[in-house]
Parts: sequence; structure tokens; C-alpha cells
Amino acid sequence: GESVGLHLPTLSVQEGDNSIINCAYSNSASDYFIWYKQESGKGPQFIIDIRSNMDKRQGQRVTVLLNKTVKHLSLQIAATQPGDSAVYFCAEGGATNKLIFGTGTLLAVQP
Amino acid sequence: EPEVTQTPSHQVTQMGQEVILRCVPISNHLYFYWYRQILGQKVEFLVSFYNNEISEKSEIFDDQFSVERPDGSNFTLKIRSTKLEDSAMYFCASSETGFETQYFGPGTRLLVL
Repeated sequence: GESVGLHLPTLSVQEGDNSIINCAYSNSASDYFIWYKQESGKGPQFIIDIRSNMDKRQGQRVTVLLNKTVKHLSLQIAATQPGDSAVYFCAEGGATNKLIFGTGTLLAVQP
Repeated sequence: EPEVTQTPSHQVTQMGQEVILRCVPISNHLYFYWYRQILGQKVEFLVSFYNNEISEKSEIFDDQFSVERPDGSNFTLKIRSTKLEDSAMYFCASSETGFETQYFGPGTRLLVL
């Protein structure tokens, strides 16, 4: 069946370090992937997305990498800041427009 | 910057009561969604809505749930007879097209007692 999962439930990094959050997906038909950030008590906030015809996409301090061969998605955050502390979800979309979310990774940035 | 809004932010209700959760999607968006998140769990898709009809729904979205776009701006989720297990955070989302980024509202926290 369809599933999206995260390898690390909690990631603790020092302020200023780079963070890498990983995600595995199992539906090879998925062609659209999104990373969302969720702060406590708030809704998911869009960070960056990537389509299956791309391997890499960069935003401001964030990069998403897609490896379709092993069905792996990662989010890299450069120079992590305390304001980056949140739960990060990957989500996938495919033939339908519903999103399937992963279980989330808590990023804790230590000052 | 346009954003999705939701009301109320919190709702407490008795089991068996009806609740209506309200959303105002981003104005030029055509696709609307409801998701829910049980405390500590991942976000789950409930239903998508386009052109005044449901385009897809999950197994969670049973006969107790309904959605409506009563006017040009609001999008509502109704739960007819709430159950304890309906307690969750309910998120509305909208997208300009069906395969573009979905933007989420802040959520309504529903507590069924």
C-alpha cells in the first residue's frame, strides 16, 4: 500500500550546523513531494517542493533532494537556527491530489 | 500574503452533537481539502473538493462527515454525530490547481467529551 515514513523521529543539532531530515516513500507512482514545517499548535507550513522529474531543488537555506531509485527524499537546512525548531513532515502526491504525510521528525536546535 | 483561515480555533462538544468547522480558503484557489491530525500522529487526508463536489475522500470520511461550500468564500466540514475518536486537530487546505502546493490553515482543535 501507500506509505511515507521518516527514518529519524528526533534530530538534535547545534545552532549554525546543517540539518538533514530524511524520508522514505513506497509509492513509485508519486510524482510530487513536499516538505512542511509544523510548529506547536499551528498548521503545516510549506517549505519546499519537488517534482519527480527533478533530483534537487534549492530554496532559501533549504535544499530538497530526491532519489527515485531508492525512493528517498531529504531536506537539508543550512546554518540551522533556533527558529527552525519544529516537526518536519514530508508528504507525497500522485495521480490524485490528496497528500500522504509521513510521521514527522522533530528538529531540536540547541543554542 | 494570502492565507487560509479557520474558525473556531478550539471547539469542545459533547459526544453525539453536531459540529461545523469553518474555513476560508485563499481567494483564487479552486481546490479545497480537509485533513485531520490526532494528537502526536501524522496528518491524515479526509476529503478533497473541487467544482462544488467531492473529488476524493478517505475511509475516515464516512456518512457522519460532510463538506459544503455555502458561498463564494467559506468551506465547511460538518460532523453530524461526534464520537470520542473524532477528537483531533482539523486542518483546511487549499490549492490553486489540483497538483500544486496545498496551503494549510492554522487548524481547529476539536475535543469531544
